[in-house]
Amino acid sequence: EAQVTQNPRYLITVTGKKLTVTCSQNMNHEYMSWYRQDPGLGLRQIYYSMNVEVTDKGDVPEGYKVSRKEKRNFPLILESPSPNQTSLYFCASRDSRTGMGRAFFGQGTRLTVV
Amino acid sequence: GQQVMQIPQYQHVQEGEDFTTYCNSSTTLSNIQWYKQRPGGHPVFLIQLVKSGEVKKQKRLTFQFGEAKKNSSLHITATQTTDVGTYFCAANSNSGYALNFGKGTSLLVTP
Repeated sequence: EAQVTQNPRYLITVTGKKLTVTCSQNMNHEYMSWYRQDPGLGLRQIYYSMNVEVTDKGDVPEGYKVSRKEKRNFPLILESPSPNQTSLYFCASRDSRTGMGRAFFGQGTRLTVV
Repeated sequence: GQQVMQIPQYQHVQEGEDFTTYCNSSTTLSNIQWYKQRPGGHPVFLIQLVKSGEVKKQKRLTFQFGEAKKNSSLHITATQTTDVGTYFCAANSNSGYALNFGKGTSLLVTP
């Protein structure tokens, strides 16, 4: 079954404690992306990756890091989380060879930073 | 950044009423996609429009792509409580294949 898997689904952490949210896809997609969703602001892109070892900033990259060492994995790293990073995070992947591929989303990670 | 503007932000209707959400861009789009996110869920792909003036239907949902490929709409006829959720349009970024989403329209349907 085609899917994008994120972990964890829920996370409560304290300010400054490094954390990683994992994302894995089984569709051999080149393109992967991270979004955060906040009320009234829709889905805002944090980082995206067009292929292995190729990443680029989205609209709200500050405070986040990503890596793309393998095609299937695209972890999101918060080196020093702050309360303003409390949000709902989604990972997505798509077949981007033609620019027409649909996006597949993970189940989401609800992060609370206290 | 976000190149597609979506309105309205919220819509509250009585069951049986129609609903429309609009997506607009200042630039010509190669294609546009629509997604639905149920409360507590993740966005799920609904449809893609590619051709100028294209109209596609999925049961009570009608999707249109403008002649100039700068706007799109999603119309739901006779809403049901199962239509509740947030509807997003999405388009490829100007620089490449990154996918940018509109802010979404949250639909609430009361029985």
